[in-house]
Amino acid sequence: SQTIHQWPATLVQPVGSPLSLECTVEGTSNPNLYWYRQAAGRGLQLLFYSIGIDQISSEVPQNLSASRPQDRQFILSSKKLLLSDSGFYLCAWSPPGLAGGRALPNEQFFGPGTRLTVL
Amino acid sequence: SQQGEEDPQALSIQEGENATMNCSYKTSINNLQWYRQNSGRGLVHLILIRSNEREKHSGRLRVTLDTSKKSSSLLITASRAADTASYFCATVSYNFNKFYFGSGTKLNVKP
Repeated sequence: SQTIHQWPATLVQPVGSPLSLECTVEGTSNPNLYWYRQAAGRGLQLLFYSIGIDQISSEVPQNLSASRPQDRQFILSSKKLLLSDSGFYLCAWSPPGLAGGRALPNEQFFGPGTRLTVL
Repeated sequence: SQQGEEDPQALSIQEGENATMNCSYKTSINNLQWYRQNSGRGLVHLILIRSNEREKHSGRLRVTLDTSKKSSSLLITASRAADTASYFCATVSYNFNKFYFGSGTKLNVKP
């Protein structure tokens, strides 16, 4: 069965410090991977998605970057955190959207999230 | 933006009552999904409805989709205290790579 891991679970960082959040998926190959941010009591904002190694798309301009060094590893980074980077960060994966050349609808599976507080 | 928007933002009902949440979106979709989130946790997929479907059932869940009005509704029948959570709709684009989530409906079911 597939599992998704995120760490750390919580993080408190000072303004201007670097950030690295890690997400790994087990039990599947070539997953689509996603990073979301959720402000308190709000919906999810799609930050990055990746359909393969070295194929990462950014949804909104921001202080963050993403990398996919391995097929099932997705990393969210920042060189200098801002106060506005505080939030709940969720990683998710979905099966590849194509099977036999035909696109299939699929669902997302979420990790437990990382609560980031920037002070 | 393709992002869905849920309505109401918050809903409080008694156990045993039905809960209805609505979602509106702006652009064409391939499918629409509903997710549940317990406080401080990740989201869990509940149900998916394709753009060529009008209604779908799963246990106590009933989802409808009206593509002409670009809206969907989620009905939870005979609610339980354990249904207390936030519920989000997500629209999925035709390339299947992007999921857009709404701001959610916070449901409180009182025992």
